[in-house]
Amino acid sequence: GAGVSQTPSNKVTEKGKYVELRCDPISGHTALYWYRQSLGQGPEFLIYFQGTGAADDSGLPNDRFFAVRPEGSVSTLKIQRTERGDSAVYLCASSLNSGSQDTQYFGPGTRLTVL
Amino acid sequence: DQQVKQNSPSLSVQEGRISILNCDYTNSMFDYFLWYKKYPAEGPTFLISISSIKDKNEDGRFTVFLNKSAKHLSLHIVPSQPGDSAVYFCAANNRKLIWGLGTSLAVNP
Repeated sequence: GAGVSQTPSNKVTEKGKYVELRCDPISGHTALYWYRQSLGQGPEFLIYFQGTGAADDSGLPNDRFFAVRPEGSVSTLKIQRTERGDSAVYLCASSLNSGSQDTQYFGPGTRLTVL
Repeated sequence: DQQVKQNSPSLSVQEGRISILNCDYTNSMFDYFLWYKKYPAEGPTFLISISSIKDKNEDGRFTVFLNKSAKHLSLHIVPSQPGDSAVYFCAANNRKLIWGLGTSLAVNP
């Protein structure tokens, strides 16, 4: 079956602009996660959804970042007033449920570059 | 304060030999661990996992060992192949994944 997909694969924007990153999880997976990865680092947790609700958004760095999952499937990560420090690879993952023993499967990521 | 540590940033191994990648963690409440493999410009690919009720899990050429008293796990790849060359990440699943910094493995023909 299809894996996790993310669009766009690359996004270049200017400082101060608004961007949206999209994630399509594996069909039937109830949990969806957003991470971001900077060069030379491990992925850093941002937020996860169980169904339509954000179960844990403690990793969002500030209020410029927001994510939604209105129908419990596709999710959009929204970044307002982008800054150069937001440049990173944004990774999305999904899992069947959100238990501690549920394996998360990742998409290919969106590389965001803020000029 | 990293809760999951991979202290070797890189490892080089000859094809056919064993690769051993190490990972340490600090939180004894973690009960599920995963290894992911990552190629450049791709997302992490799940390799193998282990629950804290086990001390070993094997899948083909990949075996993960868990030593709870030492808070240490290791991934063994036998025999290593050039296609295994990638960055390997250890992660603890606390509903959100908590990651190490990764170890870059190079398997030389």
